Amino acid sequence: DQQVKQNSPSLSVQEGRISILNCDYTNSMFDYFLWYKKYPAEGPTFLISISSIKDKNEDGRFTVFLNKSAKHLSLHIVPSQPGDSAVYFCAADANAGGTSYGKLTFGQGTILTVHP
Amino acid sequence: NAGVTQTPKFQVLKTGQSMTLQCAQDMNHNSMYWYRQDPGMGLRLIYYSASEGTTDKGEVPNGYNVSRLNKREFSLRLESAAPSQTSVYFCASSERWGRQPQHFGDGTRLSIL
Repeated sequence: DQQVKQNSPSLSVQEGRISILNCDYTNSMFDYFLWYKKYPAEGPTFLISISSIKDKNEDGRFTVFLNKSAKHLSLHIVPSQPGDSAVYFCAADANAGGTSYGKLTFGQGTILTVHP
Repeated sequence: NAGVTQTPKFQVLKTGQSMTLQCAQDMNHNSMYWYRQDPGMGLRLIYYSASEGTTDKGEVPNGYNVSRLNKREFSLRLESAAPSQTSVYFCASSERWGRQPQHFGDGTRLSIL
């Protein structure tokens, strides 16, 4: 039973445009959500996170939106750059009280390709 | 990746063999984690260590053991390898319990025949 799902295996975007990566979850106990970025042959790198008490968190070109009623979160990258080409994983933590204890449930990942 | 070093990077084992995956971080982090990633799936937590001297099971601990040797090192042992343990293994660390893992190693690709 996949509690965190990224239904789009891949996404292709033109440089300078917006990239929107989506993630759905089923476990109502998830209260902290994270996005990680992974380049080939490297480990994931933490990108941005959001607590369930918020509906938006922004960090530079990256914004994460959380819709609790729909159990849906999205990552917006504006503007997209070729260096953003990577696999993006969303992850969730349960009963974390507004933070994360690393006991994460990950989605399958979305491959983002940004074309020059 | 800066700060978290995993060895080896690749390993092929026969069913029933044992081996230990090594992980070390030089960031003075308190918490460390072992995840595995299978094709088409997200990472799954095997074991974690909230602080030096403590270890706990994650989502998929069966067939594994861990040792938090000191603050820097967290090893993962397969006592009797099985083909189902073929995977890419990632070690991660966070500065303290209650912070998300920010730094992952580059992974160990393990194949069990």
